[in-house]
Amino acid sequence: IAGITQAPTSQILAAGRRMTLRCTQDMRHNAMYWYRQDLGLGLRLIHYSNTAGTTGKGEVPDGYSVSRANTDDFPLTLASAVPSQTSVYFCASSDTGDNSPLHFGNGTRLTVT
Amino acid sequence: AQSVTQLGSHVSVSEGALVLLRCNYSSSVPPYLFWYVQYPNQGLQLLLKYTTGATLVKGINGFEAEFKKSETSFHLTKPSAHMSDAAEYFCAVSAYSWGKLQFGAGTQVVVTP
Repeated sequence: IAGITQAPTSQILAAGRRMTLRCTQDMRHNAMYWYRQDLGLGLRLIHYSNTAGTTGKGEVPDGYSVSRANTDDFPLTLASAVPSQTSVYFCASSDTGDNSPLHFGNGTRLTVT
Repeated sequence: AQSVTQLGSHVSVSEGALVLLRCNYSSSVPPYLFWYVQYPNQGLQLLLKYTTGATLVKGINGFEAEFKKSETSFHLTKPSAHMSDAAEYFCAVSAYSWGKLQFGAGTQVVVTP
């Protein structure tokens, strides 16, 4: 079934540790995004990529980095995790034409202790 | 810049009753507007979207929304709630018909028998 795969599903991480959240899509979408979801705040954009080889900063990029080496993969890295990064992280993708909705993965629940 | 305000973080409706979720937006350019639904432990799914043209937009599962420019609103309605409508609903705005979205904080809908 076509879609977005995120891994891991959940993770408990000690503060100061490095962590990479994985995201893979098989829809050949040009654009990919990382959002974090926090209670009462909705979803906030962390980083995005309009096409392979390019990335951009979203609303809350500090403490996170991304890379887009190819069309399918868009990993999100926390270089040194802090408790405020405890959240549910969603990867999404979309085509870049009109009438192209976002397709979301099922999320990664991250707890930083 | 865009922003979205969803009125009411929780809404409780009786099965068979009208569902009304309120969304107001601000945008410096003509907006593209979206409603997404999130079921427990899942990513978001597109319910409907307004890009251009007809201001009354019909979506999946019997939902519809009306774009009112004069009121800067995009309220979501469904004439008769079903138990399966219990979920969290997010309104979002974008300067494009795809891509980087500004989400509201979400409204949790509970449906009672």
